[in-house]
Amino acid sequence: SQQGEEDPQALSIQEGENATMNCSYKTSINNLQWYRQNSGRGLVHLILIRSNEREKHSGRLRVTLDTSKKSSSLLITASRAADTASYFCATGNDMRFGAGTRLTVKP
Amino acid sequence: ETGVTQSPTHLIKTRGQQVTLRCSSQSGHNTVSWYQQALGQGPQFIFQYYREEENGRGNFPPRFSGLQFPNYSSELNVNALELDDSALYLCASSSASGGYSYEQYFGPGTRLTVT
Repeated sequence: SQQGEEDPQALSIQEGENATMNCSYKTSINNLQWYRQNSGRGLVHLILIRSNEREKHSGRLRVTLDTSKKSSSLLITASRAADTASYFCATGNDMRFGAGTRLTVKP
Repeated sequence: ETGVTQSPTHLIKTRGQQVTLRCSSQSGHNTVSWYQQALGQGPQFIFQYYREEENGRGNFPPRFSGLQFPNYSSELNVNALELDDSALYLCASSSASGGYSYEQYFGPGTRLTVT
Protein backbone atom coordinates (compact mmCIF):
# COMPACT_ATOMS: atom_id res chain seq x y z
CA SER A 1 0.00 0.00 0.00
CA GLN A 2 1.11 3.56 -0.61
CA GLN A 3 2.10 5.73 2.32
CA GLY A 4 1.76 9.24 0.97
CA GLU A 5 -1.48 10.37 -0.59
CA GLU A 6 -1.55 13.62 -2.53
CA ASP A 7 -4.49 15.92 -2.95
CA PRO A 8 -5.83 17.17 -5.31
CA GLN A 9 -5.26 14.59 -8.02
CA ALA A 10 -5.09 17.34 -10.64
CA LEU A 11 -4.64 21.10 -10.51
CA SER A 12 -4.78 23.62 -13.37
CA ILE A 13 -3.71 27.24 -12.87
CA GLN A 14 -2.52 30.26 -14.84
CA GLU A 15 1.11 31.29 -14.98
CA GLY A 16 1.95 33.58 -12.08
CA GLU A 17 -0.56 32.04 -9.71
CA ASN A 18 0.36 29.99 -6.66
CA ALA A 19 -0.17 26.24 -6.53
CA THR A 20 -0.81 24.33 -3.33
CA MET A 21 -0.88 20.57 -3.05
CA ASN A 22 -1.29 18.44 0.03
CA CYS A 23 0.00 15.13 1.26
CA SER A 24 -1.33 12.87 3.99
CA TYR A 25 0.44 9.86 5.45
CA LYS A 26 -0.39 7.14 7.92
CA THR A 27 2.54 6.26 10.17
CA SER A 28 5.23 8.16 12.07
CA ILE A 29 8.09 9.45 9.96
CA ASN A 30 11.71 10.62 10.17
CA ASN A 31 11.25 12.93 7.23
CA LEU A 32 8.98 13.64 4.29
CA GLN A 33 10.16 14.36 0.79
CA TRP A 34 8.63 15.98 -2.26
CA TYR A 35 9.52 15.03 -5.82
CA ARG A 36 8.62 16.28 -9.29
CA GLN A 37 8.24 14.14 -12.38
CA ASN A 38 8.01 15.45 -15.88
CA SER A 39 6.02 13.25 -18.19
CA GLY A 40 7.41 9.71 -18.38
CA ARG A 41 10.79 10.61 -16.93
CA GLY A 42 12.69 10.07 -13.68
CA LEU A 43 11.73 11.85 -10.49
CA VAL A 44 13.60 14.91 -9.30
CA HIS A 45 14.06 15.58 -5.61
CA LEU A 46 12.65 18.97 -4.57
CA ILE A 47 12.85 19.23 -0.81
CA LEU A 48 13.20 17.17 2.35
CA ILE A 49 11.61 18.24 5.62
CA ARG A 50 12.52 16.50 8.86
CA SER A 51 9.95 15.48 11.44
CA ASN A 52 11.16 18.18 13.87
CA GLU A 53 10.75 20.95 11.28
CA ARG A 54 7.50 22.75 10.61
CA GLU A 55 8.36 24.77 7.53
CA LYS A 56 11.07 24.82 4.92
CA HIS A 57 11.78 27.01 1.90
CA SER A 58 13.71 26.43 -1.29
CA GLY A 59 13.47 29.13 -3.93
CA ARG A 60 9.80 29.37 -4.95
CA LEU A 61 8.91 26.28 -2.93
CA ARG A 62 7.52 26.28 0.58
CA VAL A 63 6.82 23.06 2.42
CA THR A 64 5.01 22.71 5.71
CA LEU A 65 4.72 19.66 7.92
CA ASP A 66 2.15 18.97 10.63
CA THR A 67 3.05 15.72 12.32
CA SER A 68 -0.01 15.87 14.60
CA LYS A 69 -2.24 15.75 11.53
CA LYS A 70 0.15 13.55 9.56
CA SER A 71 0.03 15.99 6.68
CA SER A 72 2.28 18.19 4.57
CA SER A 73 1.72 20.84 1.95
CA LEU A 74 3.80 22.06 -0.96
CA LEU A 75 3.32 25.61 -2.16
CA ILE A 76 4.79 26.77 -5.46
CA THR A 77 4.70 30.54 -5.75
CA ALA A 78 4.59 32.54 -8.98
CA SER A 79 4.19 29.39 -11.05
CA ARG A 80 5.65 29.03 -14.53
CA ALA A 81 4.71 26.85 -17.48
CA ALA A 82 7.88 24.85 -16.77
CA ASP A 83 6.38 23.81 -13.40
CA THR A 84 3.90 21.62 -15.28
CA ALA A 85 4.58 18.14 -13.93
CA SER A 86 3.37 15.54 -11.45
CA TYR A 87 4.30 16.09 -7.83
CA PHE A 88 4.71 13.31 -5.30
CA CYS A 89 5.32 13.12 -1.59
CA ALA A 90 7.16 10.17 -0.09
CA THR A 91 7.93 8.92 3.39
CA GLY A 92 9.86 6.10 5.00
CA ASN A 93 13.20 4.51 4.28
CA ASP A 94 11.52 2.58 1.47
CA MET A 95 10.03 5.79 0.05
CA ARG A 96 6.34 5.02 -0.26
CA PHE A 97 4.81 7.33 -2.87
CA GLY A 98 1.25 8.41 -3.44
CA ALA A 99 -0.44 8.69 -6.81
CA GLY A 100 0.67 12.31 -7.16
CA THR A 101 -0.84 15.66 -8.05
CA ARG A 102 -0.77 16.50 -11.72
CA LEU A 103 -0.12 20.24 -12.03
CA THR A 104 -0.77 22.10 -15.27
CA VAL A 105 0.37 25.72 -15.52
CA LYS A 106 -1.12 27.54 -18.50
CA PRO A 107 0.91 30.31 -20.14
CA GLU B 1 20.51 15.51 -14.38
CA THR B 2 21.46 13.05 -11.66
CA GLY B 3 24.46 10.75 -11.90
CA VAL B 4 22.18 7.70 -12.01
CA THR B 5 21.99 5.85 -15.30
CA GLN B 6 19.75 2.99 -16.39
CA SER B 7 19.86 0.60 -19.30
CA PRO B 8 18.24 -0.14 -21.57
CA THR B 9 15.97 2.84 -22.19
CA HIS B 10 13.22 0.79 -23.76
CA LEU B 11 12.60 -2.93 -23.93
CA ILE B 12 9.95 -5.15 -25.47
CA LYS B 13 9.53 -8.69 -24.18
CA THR B 14 7.07 -11.51 -24.63
CA ARG B 15 4.96 -12.94 -21.83
CA GLY B 16 6.82 -15.71 -20.00
CA GLN B 17 10.27 -14.39 -20.82
CA GLN B 18 12.83 -13.09 -18.35
CA VAL B 19 14.36 -9.60 -18.26
CA THR B 20 17.31 -7.91 -16.55
CA LEU B 21 17.40 -4.18 -16.04
CA ARG B 22 20.54 -2.35 -14.96
CA CYS B 23 21.28 0.70 -12.89
CA SER B 24 24.47 2.57 -12.13
CA SER B 25 24.27 4.54 -8.90
CA GLN B 26 25.54 8.01 -8.24
CA SER B 27 29.09 8.02 -6.95
CA GLY B 28 29.34 7.64 -3.17
CA HIS B 29 25.83 6.24 -2.71
CA ASN B 30 25.48 2.95 -0.84
CA THR B 31 21.75 2.36 -1.25
CA VAL B 32 19.70 1.61 -4.33
CA SER B 33 15.95 1.24 -4.60
CA TRP B 34 13.82 -0.02 -7.45
CA TYR B 35 10.32 1.12 -8.32
CA GLN B 36 7.64 0.12 -10.76
CA GLN B 37 5.47 2.88 -12.15
CA ALA B 38 2.41 2.03 -14.18
CA LEU B 39 0.93 4.69 -16.43
CA GLY B 40 -0.82 7.39 -14.43
CA GLN B 41 0.26 5.93 -11.09
CA GLY B 42 2.87 6.78 -8.52
CA PRO B 43 6.03 4.70 -8.19
CA GLN B 44 5.53 1.43 -6.32
CA PHE B 45 8.42 0.31 -4.14
CA ILE B 46 9.84 -3.06 -5.25
CA PHE B 47 12.89 -3.43 -2.99
CA GLN B 48 15.94 -1.69 -1.64
CA TYR B 49 19.56 -2.80 -1.34
CA TYR B 50 22.00 -1.41 1.17
CA ARG B 51 25.64 -2.46 0.91
CA GLU B 52 24.73 -5.48 -1.25
CA GLU B 53 22.04 -6.80 1.12
CA GLU B 54 18.28 -6.57 0.58
CA ASN B 55 17.03 -3.96 3.03
CA GLY B 56 13.28 -3.96 2.50
CA ARG B 57 10.79 -5.25 0.00
CA GLY B 58 7.43 -4.09 -1.23
CA ASN B 59 4.43 -6.18 -2.19
CA PHE B 60 6.00 -7.88 -5.21
CA PRO B 61 6.23 -11.64 -5.88
CA PRO B 62 9.54 -13.54 -5.68
CA ARG B 63 9.89 -13.52 -9.47
CA PHE B 64 11.11 -9.95 -8.94
CA SER B 65 14.67 -10.23 -7.68
CA GLY B 66 17.69 -8.00 -7.46
CA LEU B 67 21.38 -7.67 -6.92
CA GLN B 68 23.67 -4.90 -5.79
CA PHE B 69 27.35 -5.16 -6.67
CA PRO B 70 30.44 -3.98 -4.74
CA ASN B 71 30.65 -0.91 -6.96
CA TYR B 72 27.01 -0.23 -5.98
CA SER B 73 25.62 -0.82 -9.45
CA SER B 74 22.46 -2.86 -9.41
CA GLU B 75 20.23 -5.22 -11.38
CA LEU B 76 16.53 -5.92 -11.33
CA ASN B 77 15.51 -9.33 -12.67
CA VAL B 78 11.97 -10.28 -13.50
CA ASN B 79 11.12 -13.88 -14.39
CA ALA B 80 8.02 -15.26 -16.09
CA LEU B 81 6.93 -11.88 -17.38
CA GLU B 82 3.24 -11.03 -17.31
CA LEU B 83 1.35 -8.41 -19.29
CA ASP B 84 0.84 -6.37 -16.08
CA ASP B 85 4.60 -6.04 -15.71
CA SER B 86 4.52 -3.45 -18.48
CA ALA B 87 5.61 -0.25 -16.77
CA LEU B 88 8.37 2.29 -16.26
CA TYR B 89 11.03 0.85 -13.95
CA LEU B 90 12.96 3.39 -11.95
CA CYS B 91 16.04 2.99 -9.85
CA ALA B 92 17.15 5.52 -7.29
CA SER B 93 20.33 5.79 -5.29
CA SER B 94 20.95 7.50 -1.99
CA SER B 95 23.18 7.59 1.04
CA ALA B 96 21.78 5.90 4.12
CA SER B 97 23.14 5.72 7.60
CA GLY B 98 21.69 4.05 10.65
CA GLY B 99 18.35 3.44 9.01
CA TYR B 100 17.83 7.12 8.23
CA SER B 101 16.85 7.85 4.66
CA TYR B 102 18.07 10.76 2.62
CA GLU B 103 16.97 12.22 -0.68
CA GLN B 104 17.00 9.79 -3.55
CA TYR B 105 18.46 10.45 -6.97
CA PHE B 106 16.48 8.81 -9.73
CA GLY B 107 17.58 7.50 -13.07
CA PRO B 108 15.56 8.20 -16.21
CA GLY B 109 13.90 4.78 -16.11
CA THR B 110 13.51 1.77 -18.37
CA ARG B 111 10.22 1.45 -20.22
CA LEU B 112 9.30 -2.25 -20.35
CA THR B 113 6.53 -3.45 -22.62
CA VAL B 114 5.33 -7.05 -22.32
CA THR B 115 3.32 -8.41 -25.24
